[in-house]
Amino acid sequence: DTGVSQDPRHKITKRGQNVTFRCDPISEHNRLYWYRQTLGQGPEFLTYFQNEAQLEKSRLLSDRFSAERPKGSFSTLEIQRTEQGDSAMYLCASSLTSGGHTGELFFGEGSRLTVL
Amino acid sequence: DAKTTQPPSMDCAEGRAANLPCNHSTISGNEYVYWYRQIHSQGPQYIIHGLKNNETNEMASLIITEDRKSSTLILPHATLRDTAVYYCIVRVTSGSRLTFGEGTQLTVNP
Repeated sequence: DTGVSQDPRHKITKRGQNVTFRCDPISEHNRLYWYRQTLGQGPEFLTYFQNEAQLEKSRLLSDRFSAERPKGSFSTLEIQRTEQGDSAMYLCASSLTSGGHTGELFFGEGSRLTVL
Repeated sequence: DAKTTQPPSMDCAEGRAANLPCNHSTISGNEYVYWYRQIHSQGPQYIIHGLKNNETNEMASLIITEDRKSSTLILPHATLRDTAVYYCIVRVTSGSRLTFGEGTQLTVNP
């Protein structure tokens, strides 16, 4: 399967613990996005990378959240000191940008976080 | 990115055409209309996009009005597997993120 893969698919943690999600994009895609989705709502943008550079961060991305894409390939999203309000589906997407045009976003299946 | 307005839910009979409307009255000249759908417990999936001409692919057709203030996504022969939330999004092709609204929950009934 050459699509976007996310790991783990499900994570249950206790409040105050740290969690990390990994995203492996489609191999030739230079852009990588993180979104968060809560029940009944559309996905909300968190941040995106072009290669290894983090170019935009949403105000939703509090200080407890950090994302990296160290070699311009896979990315990690870490949430420190989790709160119950962090419970959500975390979606990763990738796209290929060339010639000033951004292609369609391909999404992974998501990582569902439950904070007890 | 311009704001879009979609009905919260729609029903369609299996085998019939599903016509999903979207209003985007503040769309700019360089913004495209994109449609994605999200089947329960999966990530969103790209369907189609267009600027001003009607577009068709193997999944759907996109009809954009001449003034570009609204569009309709058409699934010509809906199946039960088309039950999903459908999102209409406008953005420039050089844009970065997609901004999702709440979409339309399409339920295809047997």
